[in-house]
Amino acid sequence: EVQLLESGGGLVQPGGSLRLSCGASGFNFLVKGMNWVRQAPGKGLEWVSAISGSGTSTTYADSVKGRFTISRDNSKNTLYLQMNSLRAEDTAIYFCARLSGFYIEEPSDVWGQGTLVSVSS
Amino acid sequence: EIVLTQSPGTLSLSPGERATLSCRASQSVSSRYLAWYQQRLGQAPRLLIYGASSRATGIPDRFSGSGSGTDFTLTISRLEPEDFAVYYCQQYGSSPYTFGRGTKLEIK
Repeated sequence: EVQLLESGGGLVQPGGSLRLSCGASGFNFLVKGMNWVRQAPGKGLEWVSAISGSGTSTTYADSVKGRFTISRDNSKNTLYLQMNSLRAEDTAIYFCARLSGFYIEEPSDVWGQGTLVSVSS
Repeated sequence: EIVLTQSPGTLSLSPGERATLSCRASQSVSSRYLAWYQQRLGQAPRLLIYGASSRATGIPDRFSGSGSGTDFTLTISRLEPEDFAVYYCQQYGSSPYTFGRGTKLEIK
C-alpha cells in the first residue's frame, strides 16, 4: 500500500525553526517528485515547495522562499521541509504529497494526512 | 504568478443533479498542467483530474474535466452523497504551482 506519513509538527514561537519529515512506503521513492502543500485553519490549499526525484531540482512559493528548504534522502525514503524564521502566517496543516512523475511539473497523486504547525508566542 | 479564480464560491445542489465548477486562469495554462482535487471535511485532498481531462486512478466516470487556455471546467454528471466536498483546481506548469480558492459543493 502506498503511504505517506508526516511528522515533526508542533507549536513553535515566531522566529523559531522546525523540520518536518515525510516517510514514504509502498512505491519506488527515488523515481517520484515530491511536494509540500499547506492549509491554514479554515482556508484553502497553498502550494509550498516541490523537489524532483533526484533532488537536483527544487522550487518554492514566494511566501517561503529564503526561509524554507525542501530536501530528500532517497536512501531513507524520506522527504523533509526545514522551516526557519517562522511567522504566525505559517500556521497550517502541512501535507506531504507525491508527484505523479519524476519531475516537478506533475500533479499530486498521493497525499499524507498532514501535520499541524502552530506558530505562536 | 498565475492566479486561478474558481466560481462559484459555493454551489448548492441536490443528489442526482449535475454540477458544473469553473476555474479561470489569469494567463494561459497548458491543458497538460491543470488538475482538480476533491477535499472532504477533515481529510486530505484527493486527485480527481489531471491534464485538464484525464481521470486519476479509481475516479468514477461521473467526474469529467474540460477546457483549455484560461477556462477550465469540472463536471459531476449525477451527484452522489459522497461528492459534497470542496473542490480545488491547480496549475502545475509554471512555478509557483498555484491553487484556486476552492468551490464548496453543499447539499441543497
